[in-house]
Amino acid sequence: GAGVSQSPRYKVTKRGQDVALRCDPISGHVSLYWYRQALGQGPEFLTYFNYEAQQDKSGLPNDRFSAERPEGSISTLTIQRTEQRDSAMYRCASSPRTSGRTYNEQFFGPGTRLTVL
Amino acid sequence: AQSVTQLGSHVSVSEGALVLLRCNYSSSVPPYLFWYVQYPNQGLQLLLKYTTGATLVKGINGFEAEFKKSETSFHLTKPSAHMSDAAEYFCAVSDKAGGGADGLTFGKGTHLIIQP
Repeated sequence: GAGVSQSPRYKVTKRGQDVALRCDPISGHVSLYWYRQALGQGPEFLTYFNYEAQQDKSGLPNDRFSAERPEGSISTLTIQRTEQRDSAMYRCASSPRTSGRTYNEQFFGPGTRLTVL
Repeated sequence: AQSVTQLGSHVSVSEGALVLLRCNYSSSVPPYLFWYVQYPNQGLQLLLKYTTGATLVKGINGFEAEFKKSETSFHLTKPSAHMSDAAEYFCAVSDKAGGGADGLTFGKGTHLIIQP
């Protein structure tokens, strides 16, 4: 079946512009996660949703970053007034989140490489 | 707060030799532990995980890892390296108290190089 997809795969923008990154999770997956991965680093948690509700946004670096998942499926991560330090790979993951205490694996998408000039 | 330390940003082994990638974690509550692999231009793929039960866990592609609570370690091993194992490997931890539903905390990664 189809995995997690992200678009665009590559985005080059000028400093000060807004960008919107899209994540399409695996069909039926309840939970959706956003991570940022700087070059030479591991992924860093940004935020996550259960259905349309944003459960934790403690990882968002500042108020220029926001995310939404209005219908509990596709999610958009928006960065306003981009800065060069925002350049990174942005990764999305989804998880089925079954009931009980069973761990639910996060399935990762290929990422969006953002370059801010 | 949780953290993960991966010793060695690059590890080089000969084809057929033992692979050992080190991971130490810090967690105030019992953790879930993971190893992910990342091939170029691809997403992260789960190799194996420890949640409960047996502390020696086996994953895909012949990899295994052992959870050692006393050493706060979760090192990844493979008896015989193959050229196709060349990739970036990430160790990660999640808070078991949260049911694993929270975000993962990753280490910085180890780039595994296989020498012919």
